[in-house]
Formats: sequence, C-alpha cells, structure tokens
Amino acid sequence: EPEVTQTPSHQVTQMGQEVILRCVPISNHLYFYWYRQILGQKVEFLVSFYNNEISEKSEIFDDQFSVERPDGSNFTLKIRSTKLEDSAMYFCASKPGLDINTQYFGPGTRLTVL
Amino acid sequence: QKEVEQDPGPLSVPEGAIVSLNCTYSNSAFQYFMWYRQYSRKGPELLMYTYSSGNKEDGRFTAQVDKSSKYISLFIRDSQPSDSATYLCAMSLMNSGYSTLTFGKGTMLLVSP
Repeated sequence: EPEVTQTPSHQVTQMGQEVILRCVPISNHLYFYWYRQILGQKVEFLVSFYNNEISEKSEIFDDQFSVERPDGSNFTLKIRSTKLEDSAMYFCASKPGLDINTQYFGPGTRLTVL
Repeated sequence: QKEVEQDPGPLSVPEGAIVSLNCTYSNSAFQYFMWYRQYSRKGPELLMYTYSSGNKEDGRFTAQVDKSSKYISLFIRDSQPSDSATYLCAMSLMNSGYSTLTFGKGTMLLVSP
C-alpha cells in the first residue's frame, strides 16, 4: 500500500540554523500539507500546498518557514533560523484530490533544536 | 472555548471491553469528521471518516456523528491490546482541496490483556 515517507526521522540542530525536512507524498496525490505536534500537544496545521503554490497557512507559518516542491516527488519544509520552540514532530500529509477529504500522514520528523 | 475538545485520558480497559471515545466541538461549520490512531512517536493513521451526521461501521469500529449536539464518538468492540494507542479526532470545514484538519488533543487508550 502506498505511503507518505519522511526524512530524516530525527534531526538535531543548533538554534539559528536552517533545517530542511523532506517528504515524499503518495504518488498520485495532488494536495500536500505540513502539520506539527509539540510534545504533549495537539497536531497543528501549518500549511497546505496545491498546484505549486501555498493555498492556506496558519499563523504559526511565519516568514521563517517556506515550502517547496522541487520536483515531481519531493515536498519540503524549510525553517530558516530555528528557535527552541520549533522543537516538535513535523508531519507531512497528502490527499488525492478535491472530492476526497481524507489526508494520509507520514511517520514524522522529530526536530530537536538545542 | 477550544474548537475541538477531547478527554486526554488515559482510558484503561480490559481486553474484550467496548470502548467509547468522544469529542465535542464548537464550530457548527465542521462537516467532515475523522478518527486517527497514533502510536507513540508515529504519524497519525486514518481509521474512520464520516460526513455530516450518522453512523459508519468498519469491522470492530463504529463512528458516530451528532451534529445537533456537536459531538462525535468512536466505538471499539472487542478491544485488543494492539488497540492501545492515542486516538485523535479531526474535523474539517468543507470538501475543498485546501480543507485543513483541526485536531483534538487525543485520548490515550490502554487495553490490558
């Protein structure tokens, strides 16, 4: 069964450094999302992406964040200058199309900012 | 008032018990309701998906939506130790391509053998 994959599984970085989290959505899916989950907290929406542009973003997704689909398979989340409070699990999700409202999640990347 | 409320638990039950997990929500515009299962330090796994009010059954799982009360439930029959996980309810506003999910905090379920 097709799955969303994410790399790396764990990323440790120093405060102020840039990180790129990578996702490979399910191949025939058209809508892509990033969510994050701070330890012990809710899963929170960050950004949605369709047709090579951001379609919606939350207030968490400030100028330090960016997303990109550099080729036909990868979907990346970049945090330009990490802060301690960016430490969280970051989940990528995808869904097939407009009339399907279910999103399929990847296993997540644990980001630790020191 | 928080958008989606869910008792964090833990909810401890013996193997074979019927489990009831619930969420309440405040935004009456939510139309699509999902239940995800999340094992420790893993991604959410989609279990059930329902639209508007009513029931949906899939094996040992039944999802129920009562829009008039803004209340959704997930029932698990004949619970197994492998069902031990955190169960997240999630909902979205409309069937659009951009529709984002709003999650509850999750209920931790522990099924003992």
